[in-house]
Amino acid sequence: EAGVAQSPRYKIIEKRQSVAFWCNPISGHATLYWYQQILGQGPKLLIQFQNNGVVDDSQLPKDRFSAERLKGVDSTLKIQPAKLEDSAVYLCASSITSGGAYEQYFGPGTRLTVT
Amino acid sequence: QQPVQSPQAVILREGEDAVINCSSSKALYSVHWYRQKHGEAPVFLMILLKGGEQKGHEKISASFNEKKQQSSLYLTASQLSYSGTYFCGTGPQIIQGAQKLVFGQGTRLTINP
Repeated sequence: EAGVAQSPRYKIIEKRQSVAFWCNPISGHATLYWYQQILGQGPKLLIQFQNNGVVDDSQLPKDRFSAERLKGVDSTLKIQPAKLEDSAVYLCASSITSGGAYEQYFGPGTRLTVT
Repeated sequence: QQPVQSPQAVILREGEDAVINCSSSKALYSVHWYRQKHGEAPVFLMILLKGGEQKGHEKISASFNEKKQQSSLYLTASQLSYSGTYFCGTGPQIIQGAQKLVFGQGTRLTINP
């Protein structure tokens, strides 16, 4: 079974530039998550999709971050414009959902450095 | 609100035991445990659900005290491969059938030969 795919793996941009990350979840997984992990901290949920609908985006800085999951499969997270404090690893995860609690499968992440 | 993990770091010799604790100020439906090695993605270890159900690896054991809103992960006869940072993720609610997790700050475990 193929795992969660993410690209790119690394990205270096200057502040005020824009960047986009892509995620392809495990086939058949209805729920997709985007997390931000700052060095030395636990993952912080940015947005959660159930199929192609947003379940929770309460911690997404909506003035600069946006995300979409067209057709309920792969997803894109965008930052525009980027700030220095956005430097982090962006993790995508997916899980099967049917009303219970299920393990999340994480992708390798995208390490973003904003200079 | 973010759960609190303790200790923040622990160093063991191979074969020794360790306990990692996770405490929340909110009522919990579930507690998830993940291990992350440096530069890699978090890997699922175990889920503990309200009511006593558990799902996870056979060699990993954990407890979930619903009344105290606490969970502990038990690593016995530690191996070098157990090294990494352990995160608990607490799930206070289920939204539209999906579990939202809030992760702790992590516990760094180092196993020396």
